Parts: sequence; C-alpha cells; structure tokens
Amino acid sequence: DSGVTQTPKHLITATGQRVTLRCSPRSGDLSVYWYQQSLDQGLQFLIQYYNGEERAKGNILERFSAQQFPDLHSELNLSSLELGDSALYFCASSPRTALNTEAFFGQGTRLTVV
Amino acid sequence: GENVEQHPSTLSVQEGDSAVIKCTYSDSASNYFPWYKQELGKRPQLIIDIRSNVGEKKDQRIAVTLNKTAKHFSLHITETQPEDSAVYFCAASIPPGAGSYQLTFGKGTKLSVIP
Repeated sequence: DSGVTQTPKHLITATGQRVTLRCSPRSGDLSVYWYQQSLDQGLQFLIQYYNGEERAKGNILERFSAQQFPDLHSELNLSSLELGDSALYFCASSPRTALNTEAFFGQGTRLTVV
Repeated sequence: GENVEQHPSTLSVQEGDSAVIKCTYSDSASNYFPWYKQELGKRPQLIIDIRSNVGEKKDQRIAVTLNKTAKHFSLHITETQPEDSAVYFCAASIPPGAGSYQLTFGKGTKLSVIP
C-alpha cells in the first residue's frame, strides 16, 4: 500500500458525460500529480498541484481540469467524454515541489467510456 | 521540455539470464532518474533510482548506471526470475527552479522472463 488513495477504482460511463476522479495523497505530501495511461501506452503527465496551486501542466486536454483542495486531496474532472478517453488514470504524490524524489502512485482509476 | 526515450519496447530473456533496458534523456538539467516496475493492472512502483552525482547504484539483483555526458542511463537485472516479468519505466526529472516540475517517463519496456 503506497498510502495514496484513488476512488473510484473502476468507472464506466457514456460518451459526452462528465466524471470526477478523486485522489488522497500520502499524509504530509504536498504535491499531487495526475497521469494518464492508455492501453499499452506509457505514463502521460497531465497536471501537477503543490499545496493547492497548479505548478505544471502536461498534455492535458481543455475538456479536463483539476484542482487541489485545502485538505490536499485532488480531483480530476473529465468532461464531454470520448471513447479515446478510456484509460487508467493514476495519481501520485511526493513531499516536495519538484518530483526529484520518489513518487508514490495510487492504484489508479480505470475509466471506460462506452 | 524533457524527452525520454526507452529501448527496447519488449524484451524476452531466459530465466537466470540478465536483462538490460536503456534510456536517453534530452535535458542536461535533469538530475534524478527513477525506475518503476508496473505489474499487469497494478500501480507503478519504484524499484531503484539514481541522482546525477552518482554513476552507478546497485540493490541486490538490480543496478542502474548513469552517463551524464551521453545523457543515458540503464537498468540492469541479473539472474532474472519469472516474477521480474512486468513493464519497466524509466523517468527523468529536472530540479526545482528550472521551470518544470514533472517527472517525464519513457514509453516502457515489457520484460518477459521465460522459465
């Protein structure tokens, strides 16, 4: 157990819908990162938050947004879902601003868009 | 931004043989290079990491080497076992203050250890 909790574990929804993925980082970790992993693909960085503020953006679509709350949990919102958004979404946390230390990954949320 | 290339994409070895996975990075400011192992359907987990002030690091059957001049680093697994079968990801990170904070991953190597 990494200490990073993601909910839900599985999500099936229809095209055009909107979903929210939730992540609770390890106790004391201020940074939260979101990654997308499509089938047989690598880990694509989406966005990073540090202590409530957005710190870095990767290849995140405009239909996607995220935020980090005062209690440090984070939510990734995916809207106007398309079939191609089906993927495993991972959240990771680390104690420092820059990810130059070990990142701990949650178990992921498997999103299936039908 | 940083770009990490990883080779090979798939690797099959006989049990007991060694496996080597290689990665190159583009940003000379990168100073932290972790390797993650991801078993099917599970989360990536750190197996070893190395910082730019070190050329080699070893942990039992796993070792990582770093060549800063050539901007490449490698994972070496000796005496492979079936439980080593997984997807391995290399990654690179630049330090704070350099404008970017994300960990950039390679595409992954699917390692199969044949009993």
